[in-house]
Amino acid sequence: EVQLVESGGGLVKPGGSLRLSCAASGFTFSSYSMNWVRQAPGKGLEWVSSISSSSSYIYYADSVKGRFTISRDNAKNSLYLQMNSLRAEDTAVYYCARDAVGAPFDYWGQGTLVTVSS
Amino acid sequence: DIQMTQSPSSLSASVGDRVTITCRASQGIRNDLGWYQQKPGKAPKRLIYAASSLQSGVPSRFSGSGSGTEFTLTISSLQPEDFATYYCLQHNSYPPTFGPGTKVDIK
Repeated sequence: EVQLVESGGGLVKPGGSLRLSCAASGFTFSSYSMNWVRQAPGKGLEWVSSISSSSSYIYYADSVKGRFTISRDNAKNSLYLQMNSLRAEDTAVYYCARDAVGAPFDYWGQGTLVTVSS
Repeated sequence: DIQMTQSPSSLSASVGDRVTITCRASQGIRNDLGWYQQKPGKAPKRLIYAASSLQSGVPSRFSGSGSGTEFTLTISSLQPEDFATYYCLQHNSYPPTFGPGTKVDIK
């Protein structure tokens, strides 16, 4: 069974940093591209970042470019999102999602809440 | 960026009703579109991929159609567990973009 479990969320002050993790199990993690998607309270879904299976290709939304860094450790079956210079508008539930070939965003984790507030 | 619109933004329906939600892309995306259901406090769940393929384990009352710029999600007979918000997602080109959502609630 595919499982994705996010962790690392919490309350952080504006300008602060946070590192999110996504632990994967039930599939060959090293064969899949992965994504982060966020959802602000009461709002819709927003794609944040993607990383290919070998980390060769990385993409970011303009809203986080230069502040967030996506990475992965295939030996540990884990995906990460390093978030720096956090702003109030980064407050959201952050989901990791797997990319199936030709049909991405097939499985999602349960999400982790990030709150940026003084 | 490709913009996705959905209509309606919300609808009220009764159990047993046939429900149709439309998603439009600002430019052609072939069939690179998925439909997702999200219930409050839960992660999105994919219902349809490649515009019309039913995700394994999803009831057959859900169906998708369309190609290019116009897509539809149809629920043939609405069930109590289907009251939720539905999103479309295009993955034809970066950045992937979601529609704003359609909230389906009880009439």
